[in-house]
Amino acid sequence: AQKITQTQPGMFVQEKEAVTLDCTYDTSDQSYGLFWYKQPSSGEMIFLIYQGSYDEQNATEGRYSLNFQKARKSANLVISASQLGDSAMYFCAMRGGTSYGKLTFGQGTILTVHP
Amino acid sequence: NAGVTQTPKFRVLKTGQSMTLLCAQDMNHEYMYWYRQDPGMGLRLIHYSVGEGTTAKGEVPDGYNVSRLKKQNFLLGLESAAPSQTSVYFCASSYRAKVYGLYNEQFFGPGTRLTVL
Repeated sequence: AQKITQTQPGMFVQEKEAVTLDCTYDTSDQSYGLFWYKQPSSGEMIFLIYQGSYDEQNATEGRYSLNFQKARKSANLVISASQLGDSAMYFCAMRGGTSYGKLTFGQGTILTVHP
Repeated sequence: NAGVTQTPKFRVLKTGQSMTLLCAQDMNHEYMYWYRQDPGMGLRLIHYSVGEGTTAKGEVPDGYNVSRLKKQNFLLGLESAAPSQTSVYFCASSYRAKVYGLYNEQFFGPGTRLTVL
């Protein structure tokens, strides 16, 4: 069984500052993938970034980077230079190696960016 | 290319009524999924399908049935709706894992907001 834990129900950050959203996971799979999705108030799910368990480099996508610490089973999302449009719910999710692509989601973190 | 579409976007049911949610994708994806989203609980998998004519149970399948008669469509049915099924329902699709390995982004539909009174 897989489990994703996001311990921050809500986070606040000043515009242009960086923020880290925490995600820890638990799995017995050797091969797995970690995803971050953004859900704005409009409700759609937007894919942000992916990290594979065998990837040696931390993933980066524009202002998003994933701080992957395999031994600690953490996959934190770092958003640099926050913008007002970053205010949203953020979900960490995991896919196991033999799971037919099924995702297990965390509870989510609501990020609010202040001007 | 519409991606993943869901019908309807909103629905209000009375307890005991039935309904079907339709998901359609035009990306030729093999895998399709139904999730529900409740406050404070993230998304949870209801049922999924790895190909036309096949379905399987996810984490919270009770009270729901699904069918995948055509590759592009995945239907979610509620035979006798209950207030506990009030939720936002998301459909998603992706390629088979073998095509891109584990990096198979799931593409989500816009969601259906269902209220059961």
